[in-house]
Amino acid sequence: AQRVTQPEKLLSVFKGAPVELKCNYSYSGSPELFWYVQYSRQRLQLLLRHISRESIKGFTADLNKGETSFHLKKPFAQEEDSAMYYCFHALIKAAGNKLTFGGGTRVLVKP
Amino acid sequence: NAGVTQTPKFQVLKTGQSMTLQCAQDMNHNSMYWYRQDPGMGLRLIYYSASEGTTDKGEVPNGYNVSRLNKREFSLRLESAAPSQTSVYFCASRVSGTAEETQYFGPGTRLLVL
Repeated sequence: AQRVTQPEKLLSVFKGAPVELKCNYSYSGSPELFWYVQYSRQRLQLLLRHISRESIKGFTADLNKGETSFHLKKPFAQEEDSAMYYCFHALIKAAGNKLTFGGGTRVLVKP
Repeated sequence: NAGVTQTPKFQVLKTGQSMTLQCAQDMNHNSMYWYRQDPGMGLRLIYYSASEGTTDKGEVPNGYNVSRLNKREFSLRLESAAPSQTSVYFCASRVSGTAEETQYFGPGTRLLVL
Protein backbone atom coordinates (compact mmCIF):
# COMPACT_ATOMS: atom_id res chain seq x y z
CA ALA A 1 0.00 0.00 0.00
CA GLN A 2 1.09 3.54 -0.69
CA ARG A 3 2.34 5.51 2.26
CA VAL A 4 3.38 9.09 2.75
CA THR A 5 5.26 9.80 5.94
CA GLN A 6 5.91 13.18 7.48
CA PRO A 7 7.93 12.38 10.58
CA GLU A 8 7.72 15.81 12.21
CA LYS A 9 4.34 16.88 13.57
CA LEU A 10 5.65 20.27 14.64
CA LEU A 11 8.57 22.40 13.49
CA SER A 12 9.30 25.57 15.38
CA VAL A 13 11.89 27.94 13.92
CA PHE A 14 12.86 31.56 14.27
CA LYS A 15 12.24 34.08 11.52
CA GLY A 16 15.11 34.08 9.07
CA ALA A 17 16.22 30.55 9.92
CA PRO A 18 16.10 27.73 7.38
CA VAL A 19 13.26 25.25 7.53
CA GLU A 20 13.03 21.75 6.08
CA LEU A 21 9.93 19.60 6.16
CA LYS A 22 10.56 15.94 5.54
CA CYS A 23 8.40 13.73 3.38
CA ASN A 24 9.03 10.10 2.47
CA TYR A 25 6.85 8.03 0.20
CA SER A 26 6.56 4.35 -0.61
CA TYR A 27 6.01 3.75 -4.30
CA SER A 28 8.22 1.93 -6.74
CA GLY A 29 7.17 3.77 -9.89
CA SER A 30 7.43 7.42 -10.93
CA PRO A 31 5.52 9.35 -8.29
CA GLU A 32 3.37 12.43 -8.70
CA LEU A 33 4.11 14.43 -5.58
CA PHE A 34 2.77 17.68 -4.23
CA TRP A 35 2.98 19.92 -1.21
CA TYR A 36 -0.26 21.49 0.01
CA VAL A 37 -0.49 24.21 2.65
CA GLN A 38 -3.30 25.22 4.98
CA TYR A 39 -3.00 28.64 6.58
CA SER A 40 -5.05 29.44 9.66
CA ARG A 41 -8.77 29.60 8.85
CA GLN A 42 -8.16 29.02 5.15
CA ARG A 43 -8.73 26.07 2.89
CA LEU A 44 -5.98 23.78 1.68
CA GLN A 45 -4.19 25.07 -1.36
CA LEU A 46 -1.43 23.85 -3.59
CA LEU A 47 2.04 25.04 -2.69
CA LEU A 48 4.05 23.26 -5.34
CA ARG A 49 4.22 20.16 -7.55
CA HIS A 50 7.36 18.22 -8.27
CA ILE A 51 6.54 18.08 -11.96
CA SER A 52 6.69 21.89 -12.20
CA ARG A 53 10.15 22.17 -10.65
CA GLU A 54 9.26 25.66 -9.50
CA SER A 55 9.87 27.74 -6.42
CA ILE A 56 6.80 29.13 -4.73
CA LYS A 57 7.02 31.67 -1.89
CA GLY A 58 10.69 30.76 -1.60
CA PHE A 59 9.96 27.07 -1.06
CA THR A 60 11.53 24.32 -3.14
CA ALA A 61 11.18 20.57 -3.06
CA ASP A 62 13.41 18.05 -4.73
CA LEU A 63 12.38 14.55 -5.60
CA ASN A 64 15.00 12.00 -4.57
CA LYS A 65 13.96 8.66 -6.00
CA GLY A 66 16.86 6.85 -4.38
CA GLU A 67 15.78 7.93 -0.92
CA THR A 68 12.08 8.08 -1.90
CA SER A 69 11.89 11.55 -0.44
CA PHE A 70 10.34 14.87 -1.39
CA HIS A 71 11.49 17.25 1.31
CA LEU A 72 10.28 20.85 1.34
CA LYS A 73 12.84 23.56 2.06
CA LYS A 74 13.02 27.28 2.53
CA PRO A 75 16.31 29.02 3.33
CA PHE A 76 14.83 31.94 5.28
CA ALA A 77 11.51 31.33 7.03
CA GLN A 78 9.02 34.16 7.44
CA GLU A 79 6.27 34.56 10.02
CA GLU A 80 3.64 34.24 7.29
CA ASP A 81 4.94 30.73 6.59
CA SER A 82 3.34 29.53 9.81
CA ALA A 83 0.82 26.95 8.63
CA MET A 84 0.05 23.27 8.29
CA TYR A 85 1.89 21.55 5.44
CA TYR A 86 0.88 18.29 3.81
CA CYS A 87 2.85 16.11 1.45
CA PHE A 88 0.64 14.35 -1.09
CA HIS A 89 1.04 11.50 -3.56
CA ALA A 90 -1.35 10.89 -6.44
CA LEU A 91 -1.60 7.62 -8.33
CA ILE A 92 -4.27 7.55 -11.02
CA LYS A 93 -4.96 4.28 -12.78
CA ALA A 94 -7.88 2.80 -14.60
CA ALA A 95 -8.19 0.28 -11.79
CA GLY A 96 -8.66 3.09 -9.28
CA ASN A 97 -7.23 6.21 -7.74
CA LYS A 98 -4.84 6.17 -4.81
CA LEU A 99 -4.58 9.62 -3.29
CA THR A 100 -2.49 9.71 -0.14
CA PHE A 101 -1.72 12.57 2.21
CA GLY A 102 0.96 12.56 4.84
CA GLY A 103 0.00 13.24 8.42
CA GLY A 104 0.98 16.89 8.15
CA THR A 105 3.61 19.11 9.73
CA ARG A 106 2.71 22.24 11.59
CA VAL A 107 5.27 25.00 11.09
CA LEU A 108 5.53 27.79 13.60
CA VAL A 109 7.82 30.67 12.73
CA LYS A 110 8.64 32.77 15.75
CA PRO A 111 9.61 36.44 15.49
CA ASN B 1 -16.15 31.79 -9.67
CA ALA B 2 -16.88 30.48 -6.20
CA GLY B 3 -14.64 27.45 -6.74
CA VAL B 4 -15.58 24.60 -4.43
CA THR B 5 -18.33 25.27 -1.91
CA GLN B 6 -19.52 23.09 0.97
CA THR B 7 -22.56 23.18 3.20
CA PRO B 8 -23.02 23.20 6.10
CA LYS B 9 -19.94 24.74 7.69
CA PHE B 10 -20.60 23.15 11.05
CA GLN B 11 -22.98 20.47 12.29
CA VAL B 12 -23.66 18.68 15.54
CA LEU B 13 -25.35 15.29 15.39
CA LYS B 14 -26.43 12.73 17.91
CA THR B 15 -25.30 9.15 17.49
CA GLY B 16 -27.57 7.39 15.01
CA GLN B 17 -28.76 10.51 13.21
CA SER B 18 -28.25 10.89 9.50
CA MET B 19 -27.15 13.83 7.42
CA THR B 20 -25.86 14.77 4.00
CA LEU B 21 -22.87 17.00 3.34
CA GLN B 22 -23.16 18.98 0.15
CA CYS B 23 -20.37 19.93 -2.23
CA ALA B 24 -20.51 21.87 -5.46
CA GLN B 25 -17.90 23.18 -7.89
CA ASP B 26 -18.28 25.67 -10.70
CA MET B 27 -14.98 24.99 -12.48
CA ASN B 28 -16.34 22.32 -14.84
CA HIS B 29 -14.08 19.73 -13.22
CA ASN B 30 -14.63 16.08 -13.99
CA SER B 31 -13.29 14.54 -10.78
CA MET B 32 -14.50 15.16 -7.24
CA TYR B 33 -13.36 13.83 -3.87
CA TRP B 34 -14.38 13.60 -0.24
CA TYR B 35 -11.74 13.54 2.49
CA ARG B 36 -11.81 13.54 6.25
CA GLN B 37 -9.14 15.32 8.25
CA ASP B 38 -8.16 14.06 11.68
CA PRO B 39 -5.30 15.31 13.88
CA GLY B 40 -2.05 13.51 13.17
CA MET B 41 -3.55 11.49 10.31
CA GLY B 42 -3.65 14.07 7.58
CA LEU B 43 -6.48 13.79 5.10
CA ARG B 44 -7.87 10.41 4.17
CA LEU B 45 -9.90 9.74 1.07
CA ILE B 46 -13.42 8.53 1.76
CA TYR B 47 -14.94 8.32 -1.72
CA TYR B 48 -14.27 9.83 -5.10
CA SER B 49 -15.96 10.32 -8.42
CA ALA B 50 -13.55 10.21 -11.33
CA SER B 51 -16.24 11.44 -13.70
CA GLU B 52 -19.95 12.15 -13.75
CA GLY B 53 -21.87 8.93 -13.24
CA THR B 54 -19.11 7.05 -11.44
CA THR B 55 -18.16 6.71 -7.78
CA ASP B 56 -15.51 4.61 -6.07
CA LYS B 57 -14.35 3.85 -2.58
CA GLY B 58 -11.29 5.46 -1.13
CA GLU B 59 -9.28 4.52 1.90
CA VAL B 60 -11.99 4.89 4.59
CA PRO B 61 -15.46 4.41 3.02
CA ASN B 62 -17.19 2.53 5.83
CA GLY B 63 -20.20 4.37 7.25
CA TYR B 64 -20.52 6.69 4.27
CA ASN B 65 -22.31 6.84 0.94
CA VAL B 66 -21.94 9.30 -1.91
CA SER B 67 -23.93 10.56 -4.84
CA ARG B 68 -22.59 12.33 -7.90
CA LEU B 69 -25.77 14.21 -8.61
CA ASN B 70 -24.44 15.90 -11.74
CA LYS B 71 -21.11 17.24 -12.92
CA ARG B 72 -21.19 20.07 -10.36
CA GLU B 73 -22.40 18.31 -7.23
CA PHE B 74 -21.03 15.47 -5.10
CA SER B 75 -22.73 14.73 -1.79
CA LEU B 76 -21.59 12.63 1.16
CA ARG B 77 -24.16 10.90 3.36
CA LEU B 78 -23.83 9.53 6.85
CA GLU B 79 -26.73 7.13 7.34
CA SER B 80 -26.19 6.51 11.05
CA ALA B 81 -23.62 8.83 12.54
CA ALA B 82 -21.10 7.53 15.07
CA PRO B 83 -18.73 9.46 17.37
CA SER B 84 -15.81 8.09 15.32
CA GLN B 85 -17.08 10.17 12.42
CA THR B 86 -16.39 13.38 14.29
CA SER B 87 -13.99 15.10 11.92
CA VAL B 88 -13.51 17.89 9.44
CA TYR B 89 -14.70 16.92 5.98
CA PHE B 90 -13.22 18.40 2.84
CA CYS B 91 -14.48 18.19 -0.67
CA ALA B 92 -12.08 18.67 -3.57
CA SER B 93 -12.18 18.69 -7.33
CA ARG B 94 -9.73 18.47 -10.18
CA VAL B 95 -9.94 18.91 -13.91
CA SER B 96 -9.50 15.49 -15.40
CA GLY B 97 -8.22 13.08 -12.83
CA THR B 98 -4.73 12.74 -14.23
CA ALA B 99 -2.11 12.43 -11.56
CA GLU B 100 -0.36 15.75 -12.14
CA GLU B 101 -3.49 17.87 -11.84
CA THR B 102 -3.95 20.14 -8.86
CA GLN B 103 -6.81 19.57 -6.47
CA TYR B 104 -8.98 22.50 -5.40
CA PHE B 105 -10.48 22.27 -1.95
CA GLY B 106 -13.62 23.52 -0.31
CA PRO B 107 -13.59 25.30 3.04
CA GLY B 108 -14.53 22.20 5.00
CA THR B 109 -17.42 21.02 7.15
CA ARG B 110 -16.76 20.51 10.82
CA LEU B 111 -18.88 17.64 12.15
CA LEU B 112 -19.32 16.72 15.80
CA VAL B 113 -21.13 13.50 16.66
CA LEU B 114 -22.19 13.19 20.27
